[in-house]
Amino acid sequence: EPEVTQTPSHQVTQMGQEVILRCVPISNHLYFYWYRQILGQKVEFLVSFYNNEISEKSEIFDDQFSVERPDGSNFTLKIRSTKLEDSAMYFCASSPTGVTLFTDTQYFGPGTRLTVL
Amino acid sequence: KNQVEQSPQSLIILEGKNCTLQCNYTVSPFSNLRWYKQDTGRGPVSLTIMTFSENTKSNGRYTATLDADTKQSSLHITASQLSDSASYICVVSAAWGGGSQGNLIFGKGTKLSVKP
Repeated sequence: EPEVTQTPSHQVTQMGQEVILRCVPISNHLYFYWYRQILGQKVEFLVSFYNNEISEKSEIFDDQFSVERPDGSNFTLKIRSTKLEDSAMYFCASSPTGVTLFTDTQYFGPGTRLTVL
Repeated sequence: KNQVEQSPQSLIILEGKNCTLQCNYTVSPFSNLRWYKQDTGRGPVSLTIMTFSENTKSNGRYTATLDADTKQSSLHITASQLSDSASYICVVSAAWGGGSQGNLIFGKGTKLSVKP
């Protein structure tokens, strides 16, 4: 069964450093998402991406964050200057169509655990 | 304000027993409701997806119900197994206007522990 993959599985960085989290969505999917989950808390939406542009973002997704689809397969989340509170599990997800208006399954990757020291 | 509330926060049951998890939402305008299973340290896995016109949907031993009038959903697990130990998350989609959470509003989840 096709799956969403994410690298690295664990990233440790110093406060103020830039990090790039990478995701390979399922190949025929058109919508891509990033979520985060702070330890012990609920999953939070960051951003959705369709047709090479952001279709929706939450207030967490401020100017420190950016997303990119640099080629036909990768989808990246960049945090420009990491803060301690950015420590969380970051999940990438993809779906064939938009999940808010349609009922296609949304597939999540295994996550990247980001630790900011 | 769009919100999804789940109960109980945690639940311990014996292997082989049934259980029911609850989800109440105040999301409007409602588009669809999803239940996910999340193992510790892993990404959520979709169990069921329901629109307002669907009252019930099954996926193996998992059966979800939806009452769009009372804005309640439940997830019933039959004949529980040790591998059912996980967090179960209710996620409601707003057709638009989800606010700062985006159009997918997540509940905090119910942590289920199945004991032998």
